[in-house]
Amino acid sequence: NAGVTQTPKFQVLKTGQSMTLQCAQDMNHNSMYWYRQDPGMGLRLIYYSASEGTTDKGEVPNGYNVSRLNKREFSLRLESAAPSQTSVYFCASSEVRAGNTIYFGEGSWLTVV
Amino acid sequence: GENVEQHPSTLSVQEGDSAVIKCTYSDSASNYFPWYKQELGKGPQLIIDIRSNVGEKKDQRIAVTLNKTAKHFSLHITETQPEDSAVYFCAASDQTGANNLFFGTGTRLTVIP
Repeated sequence: NAGVTQTPKFQVLKTGQSMTLQCAQDMNHNSMYWYRQDPGMGLRLIYYSASEGTTDKGEVPNGYNVSRLNKREFSLRLESAAPSQTSVYFCASSEVRAGNTIYFGEGSWLTVV
Repeated sequence: GENVEQHPSTLSVQEGDSAVIKCTYSDSASNYFPWYKQELGKGPQLIIDIRSNVGEKKDQRIAVTLNKTAKHFSLHITETQPEDSAVYFCAASDQTGANNLFFGTGTRLTVIP
């Protein structure tokens, strides 16, 4: 059982380049999330999808777009990468209610130079 | 919105000693408080959680206490072992929606053999 799988694990981008982080979960969860983790700032929610077909902004959505492709997959796109987007990105999933356990992927280390 | 503060940011203990990490929250509507452990290079994993109808919960060497009046909750790890070394995050939620889980900034625990 893979849980939450995200790719790529490491990526270096030049300022202005675009890229998409892919995420898939095999737990049949309704809700999926993208977080970024920066030193001293904990986990901050970028976007989430409460259910298939819906997406909403989180705390730090600027510079990102998302697509909930189907129930399993939720991608995060950086249209024009900036150095401020250098971070570790985590995809996660859970059942609908926030009180249910959130399961995280292994993380994607992104450096924008 | 909810504001979760976590202290200390770093903690070093001798193997076998106890470790305590404290969190405070601001929203009295919060009623679900999970704790996550993040090992190096991995995503956060749920280790224990507590709901507001309970004051304390234990699972082997880890325990969490909750004081709703003072709006704080704590993680206690007894008989610490080197494998307990990790970053620990607290979080709080009012369980009203998929996006309503707010994280603390993390505590890096180092257990010295």
